[in-house]
Amino acid sequence: AQSVTQPDIHITVSEGASLELRCNYSYGATPYLFWYVQSPGQGLQLLLKYFSGDTLVQGIKGFEAEFKRSQSSFNLRKPSVHWSDAAEYFCAVGTILTGGGNKLTFGTGTQLKVEL
Amino acid sequence: KAGVTQTPRYLIKTRGQQVTLSCSPISGHRSVSWYQQTPGQGLQFLFEYFSETQRNKGNFPGRFSGRQFSNSRSEMNVSTLELGDSALYLCASSLGRDWYGYTFGSGTRLTVV
Repeated sequence: AQSVTQPDIHITVSEGASLELRCNYSYGATPYLFWYVQSPGQGLQLLLKYFSGDTLVQGIKGFEAEFKRSQSSFNLRKPSVHWSDAAEYFCAVGTILTGGGNKLTFGTGTQLKVEL
Repeated sequence: KAGVTQTPRYLIKTRGQQVTLSCSPISGHRSVSWYQQTPGQGLQFLFEYFSETQRNKGNFPGRFSGRQFSNSRSEMNVSTLELGDSALYLCASSLGRDWYGYTFGSGTRLTVV
């Protein structure tokens, strides 16, 4: 069965510093991988996704992620964090189900705090 | 175009009651999926509907049910509410094939007292 691990529950960075959020997945086939961001009381906004091809994917808000099959990882990065990036970040693996349709399996999330 | 609309945004119910939540997908989307988000269990898949049929179901008790209408709007129902059902319920709509356009709504916050 698929699973996602986000080893860091909380991360604090200073504004302007670089950021890397870790994500490891377990999935038998080529994974569909996603990063979402959630502000308090809000839904999930897609930052970026990887399906195939170039292993370095660019997303919105200056985020990027790199797929490393050998390490089963899909880490999220940003070169310079802004105070508005403070939120919770979720990594997810997507599964195409046998009955058709699909579902996402999420990690437990990483809460990002940005110090001014 | 309008996004995924979930109503109501907030609900307070008493243990033992039942509740119905609504999700209106993006125009043209035929698939609606539901997820539950709690501090203890995180984000978990509830079920997915496509063309008025439930295609997939997560590992939840039978108290959790849903349906989809011909206009693709979906409702989920929770009967005999328990305190542990307090959660943010999110729906996502898509075209129904692969991951194109998979978009989440803002959720309904259910509190059971």
